[in-house]
Amino acid sequence: EIVLTQSPGTLSLSPGERATLSCRASQSVSSSYLAWYQQKPGQAPRLLIYGASSRATGIPDRFSGSGSGTDFTLTISRLEPEDFAVYYCQQYGSSTGFTFGPGTKVDIK
Amino acid sequence: QVQLQESGPGLVKPSETLSLTCTVSGGSVSSGSYYWSWIRQPPGKGLEWIGYIYYSGSTNYNPSLKSRVTISVDTSKNQFSLKLSSVTAADTAVYYCARARAPSRYWYFDLWGRGTLVTVSS
Repeated sequence: EIVLTQSPGTLSLSPGERATLSCRASQSVSSSYLAWYQQKPGQAPRLLIYGASSRATGIPDRFSGSGSGTDFTLTISRLEPEDFAVYYCQQYGSSTGFTFGPGTKVDIK
Repeated sequence: QVQLQESGPGLVKPSETLSLTCTVSGGSVSSGSYYWSWIRQPPGKGLEWIGYIYYSGSTNYNPSLKSRVTISVDTSKNQFSLKLSSVTAADTAVYYCARARAPSRYWYFDLWGRGTLVTVSS
């Protein structure tokens, strides 16, 4: 079973700052199977990035994803007020299905 | 546009079976383009994938829940359903239905329902 670890647990930043979120897998993950989601309180998660680096429809270009193997990164170039939320990475394995990381909370400093 | 809506009891007694339905509107559950999934989130915690079903009826379940989970599809009602047996307080969560594109080079959930809270308590 592949375990995803996200760091930091909480990231305290100000609007306009750059956010760098890490997702590390216990074994190598196909980049095609790595996605990122944003979740705000009381809402369902929203797809941001799929295939490690492809933005989903309607996602602003301040969101970008990168990485390969066991290390993946979600970057928010300049935080907008609406970006303060929890972010989850997700991977897929043919024998184990989908797995999510524990999440990184981005809150206002 | 396509929407997903969860429905079912908000309170289930311990040891009983949790049953939820997801209604697909604006699209067809019979589309061969998607896997229809259930995902849950305990209050204040992270996301856990439960399983998915293809319109043909083929399924894939989270190994940690497999012994208690059944996901089925009703193409005539454009719905798919979740049954989770022998529930305990640890099964208290917001349950989401979602879809993943299939077959696909990529695996991700591009559409989610709003979620429904199920509490396990006597």
